[in-house]
Amino acid sequence: GQQLNQSPQSMFIQEGEDVSMNCTSSSIFNTWLWYKQDPGEGPVLLIALYKAGELTSNGRLTAQFGITRKDSFLNISASIPSDVGIYFCADLNYGGSQGNLIFGKGTKLSVKP
Amino acid sequence: DTAVSQTPKYLVTQMGNDKSIKCEQNLGHDTMYWYKQDSKKFLKIMFSYNNKELIINETVPNRFSPKSPDKAHLNLHINSLELGDSAVYFCASSHNAGEDTQYFGPGTRLTVL
Repeated sequence: GQQLNQSPQSMFIQEGEDVSMNCTSSSIFNTWLWYKQDPGEGPVLLIALYKAGELTSNGRLTAQFGITRKDSFLNISASIPSDVGIYFCADLNYGGSQGNLIFGKGTKLSVKP
Repeated sequence: DTAVSQTPKYLVTQMGNDKSIKCEQNLGHDTMYWYKQDSKKFLKIMFSYNNKELIINETVPNRFSPKSPDKAHLNLHINSLELGDSAVYFCASSHNAGEDTQYFGPGTRLTVL
């Protein structure tokens, strides 16, 4: 089945710094998704990528769908304290009639003011 | 104006008990899901219902039984609770099955003693 390897597992940064995290997969993906989970809340979709090479921004967030279709990265520029949380890459399982999300293990981001 | 709501937020119970978690969405979506997040924050699909019909049933013990009285509700009943059931359970919904934008509830933290 699909496996997503996400790194780094955790990051501790200073406010204002830029952040980069990435995901790789063992198989080719048709979709790359980035979700954020705030402490005590459920995940929220940040960015969705659908084509190899696609680069998409959402405010200070930028994500890219790797050309090989086996990887994606998420960058956060000029981090602020509210960026704290766990960031998950995810893919949509297209097998059969399924539509569940398959998540990476997450990157926990801590921002020091 | 909560989109996806779950009750209770916290649930502490003894081993062997039976408990239920309720989920409701007011988004008019056709598809609802249950995910489990373990202590390492790994998120995994458990069940998915589309228009009250089960479409995904991952390898989950028979002690877990989802029930969808209508397409706005997907409840999770757990029999004979075990220590390993302790986790955060998230309900989610999407317009249709196979959509990448899923809206998650705030989660229910289940602790089995």
